[in-house]
Amino acid sequence: NAGVTQTPKFQVLKTGQSMTLQCAQDMNHNSMYWYRQDPGMGLRLIYYSASEGTTDKGEVPNGYNVSRLNKREFSLRLESAAPSQTSVYFCASILDNYGYTFGSGTRLTVV
Amino acid sequence: EDKVVQSPLSLVVHEGDTVTLNCSYEVTNFRSLLWYKQEKKAPTFLFMLTSSGIEKKSGRLSSILDKKELFSILNITATQTGDSAVYLCAVPASYGKLTFGQGTILTVHP
Repeated sequence: NAGVTQTPKFQVLKTGQSMTLQCAQDMNHNSMYWYRQDPGMGLRLIYYSASEGTTDKGEVPNGYNVSRLNKREFSLRLESAAPSQTSVYFCASILDNYGYTFGSGTRLTVV
Repeated sequence: EDKVVQSPLSLVVHEGDTVTLNCSYEVTNFRSLLWYKQEKKAPTFLFMLTSSGIEKKSGRLSSILDKKELFSILNITATQTGDSAVYLCAVPASYGKLTFGQGTILTVHP
C-alpha cells in the first residue's frame, strides 16, 4: 500500500538545466496535484489534473509543465531551472474533495 | 480568489502550555476547512470542519469553525515537544484544489 510515491527525494540542478519530477499513486484516485512549499508561504498549487487526460494551471504555473501520463502518473517538468524554483515540491492525489494523500516531497535546489 | 490567513506565523511555548492557532478565510464557495500538521515531510491530516460551532476533538487537539465570522481555531492543550511542527489550514475549491494559509510554526521547549 504505497500511496503516493515521488521521485527523486532530493535534487540539485544548475541554472538552465531541465528535469522531471515523477509522481505515481496506486489508489485509483482521479485527481492529482503538484504543490510547491517555500518558507513562510504555505503550499501553493502549481498544476492539477482533475482526471486522466486533463491538466490545468494553478496559482504558480510559470516555468513548469505537466503530463498526466495515465491515471496513476502525473509528472512535473522544469524546462530551464531557475534559482526561484528552489523549493520543496509535493505531489498529492484525492478520490473526493477531502481525502488528500501527499507524497513525501522532493527537495530541489537550483544553483 | 480564495484567501487563507493564519496567525501567529510562529509561536514558542514550554511543555504544558496551551496554544491557540488561528485561521481566517475568504472563499467564494465554502465547502470545508482542513487542518494539517507538518513535521519535516508531507502534511498529515488533523481535522475537517464543515459545520459552524461543532467542535472536533482528537486527544489534546481540538478545532472549531465559525462560518459567520469566517475563521477557525486549533487548540492544543498540555503541549508536548512532539507537538512541534508547522500547522497548516486549507480550504478546498473546485476540483479539489487546496488554498493553504502560510502556516504557523509551533516550537515547544521542554
